[in-house]
Amino acid sequence: DSGVTQTPKHLITATGQRVTLRCSPRSGDLSVYWYQQSLDQGLQFLIQYYNGEERAKGNILERFSAQQFPDLHSELNLSSLELGDSALYFCASSVDAGTGNYEQYFGPGTRLTVT
Amino acid sequence: GENVEQHPSTLSVQEGDSAVIKCTYSDSASNYFPWYKQELGKGPQLIIDIRSNVGEKKDQRIAVTLNKTAKHFSLHITETQPEDSAVYFCAASYQTSYDKVIFGPGTSLSVIP
Repeated sequence: DSGVTQTPKHLITATGQRVTLRCSPRSGDLSVYWYQQSLDQGLQFLIQYYNGEERAKGNILERFSAQQFPDLHSELNLSSLELGDSALYFCASSVDAGTGNYEQYFGPGTRLTVT
Repeated sequence: GENVEQHPSTLSVQEGDSAVIKCTYSDSASNYFPWYKQELGKGPQLIIDIRSNVGEKKDQRIAVTLNKTAKHFSLHITETQPEDSAVYFCAASYQTSYDKVIFGPGTSLSVIP
């Protein structure tokens, strides 16, 4: 158990809908990262937040957005869903960016199925 | 941007044999190289990492080597066991004030009892 929690574990929804994925980082971790894992794309970095602020952006679609709240939990919002958005979405956390502690700890993931 | 390649995509070894997975990266500024193990239905788990000021690092049956000049790094697993069967991902990043990590496509390792 990494200490990172994600809810829900599974999510089935229809095209065009909007969903919210939630992540709680390990206690004490300030950075949260979101990744998408699909069969043909591997693990793709989406976005990183550090202590409430966006820090780095990867291949995140405009239909997707994220935020990190004062209690450091994070939410990933996916809207206007398409079949191709079906994937595993992982959240990871690390202690701090720039302090020399680089280890990221992954949550168990949310499996999103768009029908 | 950074690009990480990983070979082989699948690897099958007999229990007790060694397994080697190789990765190359494109950005010479990358300075942190973690390896993750992902078991079926679980999230990736960090198993070992190496920083650019180190050439080799060992942790029991696992070792990682880094050749900065050639921009490649490798994972070595000795005395493989069935529980080593999983997908292994290498990754590379440039650690500054942010930690964007780029993953390789993964290697599916099967250890045959």
